[in-house]
Amino acid sequence: GESVGLHLPTLSVQEGDNSIINCAYSNSASDYFIWYKQESGKGPQFIIDIRSNMDKRQGQRVTVLLNKTVKHLSLQIAATQPGDSAVYFCAENWSTGNQFYFGTGTSLTVIP
Amino acid sequence: EAGVTQSPTHLIKTRGQQATLRCSPISGHTSVYWYQQALGLGLQFLLWYDEGEERNRGNFPPRFSGRQFPNYSSELNVNALELEDSALYLCASTAGWRDEKLFFGSGTQLSVL
Repeated sequence: GESVGLHLPTLSVQEGDNSIINCAYSNSASDYFIWYKQESGKGPQFIIDIRSNMDKRQGQRVTVLLNKTVKHLSLQIAATQPGDSAVYFCAENWSTGNQFYFGTGTSLTVIP
Repeated sequence: EAGVTQSPTHLIKTRGQQATLRCSPISGHTSVYWYQQALGLGLQFLLWYDEGEERNRGNFPPRFSGRQFPNYSSELNVNALELEDSALYLCASTAGWRDEKLFFGSGTQLSVL
């Protein structure tokens, strides 16, 4: 495979604070992006998506920001709760078919 | 509505053996994707099947192969297992094959001893 041994970035926040998770994507031609949440022992769960014709999209307690100029994606979680503790992945959809490539992930720990 | 189901949940094999992992997509979904997730790492794209055909594969050796059946379920086969094949193998499905979010199963944890 293509995996490289990288330490998983970590983020610790106090319960009730806002969290910001960042992701640098690789392909300037990517036009669809998704944030996934993966809890221990489970598969990734869809959180929110955004298309390249937008720079911001809001969901319930989550906001995704897209900066195509610098190929940067961020996920903002408002009023972070203990149940938000998980690994968060960004995924980019290359324009050649519905093929997603995932970032390394960020481990979020919420401190009660 | 049932989500993506994978079996078995756990699989233990020895080096050199072959492993077969199975995936049933969400009803109505025709595309199936396989990803490998080694411990502490991100998801590495393995294979993509749509309408029974392999559409693309990631940078993995030929001993990783699979197929998609007429009912859209899928199998991932790994031959000549190596220790570094130990990982969580995730299957995902989508309803179409352009700009459609992936829905994941809980994965098969493969351990190669």
